[in-house]
Amino acid sequence: DAGVTQSPTHLIKTRGQQVTLRCSPISGHKSVSWYQQVLGQGPQFIFQYYEKEERGRGNFPDRFSARQFPNYSSELNVNALLLGDSALYLCASSLGSGTKTYEQYFGPGTRLTVT
Amino acid sequence: AQSVTQLGSHVSVSEGALVLLRCNYSSSVPPYLFWYVQYPNQGLQLLLKYTSAATLVKGINGFEAEFKKSETSFHLTKPSAHMSDAAEYFCAVSAWGRNTDKLIFGTGTRLQVFP
Repeated sequence: DAGVTQSPTHLIKTRGQQVTLRCSPISGHKSVSWYQQVLGQGPQFIFQYYEKEERGRGNFPDRFSARQFPNYSSELNVNALLLGDSALYLCASSLGSGTKTYEQYFGPGTRLTVT
Repeated sequence: AQSVTQLGSHVSVSEGALVLLRCNYSSSVPPYLFWYVQYPNQGLQLLLKYTSAATLVKGINGFEAEFKKSETSFHLTKPSAHMSDAAEYFCAVSAWGRNTDKLIFGTGTRLQVFP
């Protein structure tokens, strides 16, 4: 069975540009979460979506936005890129959200470099 | 608020030696705890999880962890290290409720294994 897939693998952008990252969850999973992992640190929660609705948002500026599509895939958008946005962006999928804790399965990540 | 603290950003052991990676948690509710492993340039792989059942949890690749409420700890151990265990290890606590669940990660411990 295919795991969580993310695209692109690597991306280089310049300051001020906009970027869109994509994630496809495991088949049957309805929840997608996004995490940012800056070099040398643990992942930080950005968003969770379940059944196309935002269920949680971390402490990130409004430049960060996301959405989930009817097929449960998701996009993360970051506007007005800053050097500090350089990081590994991880997508995780799970069966559900909120009624209990669900095991989250991570994709390989998208490495974003902002120059 | 929930949090985890990983003691020791780097741990070095010889092949065949005991591996001990430390994690302490803070939670106002009974926690759900996880250990993830991250190999270079890859996403996160779940090693094991504690969800309030048995306090001694066995995971993949010979790893196990023991939940100790009195010490608020969830340390990861492996009796005999292999070269292939060299990676970054993250402890995480699940913050779920209000229709969302997210993982809060520690800062990670890099495990080096010497021949």
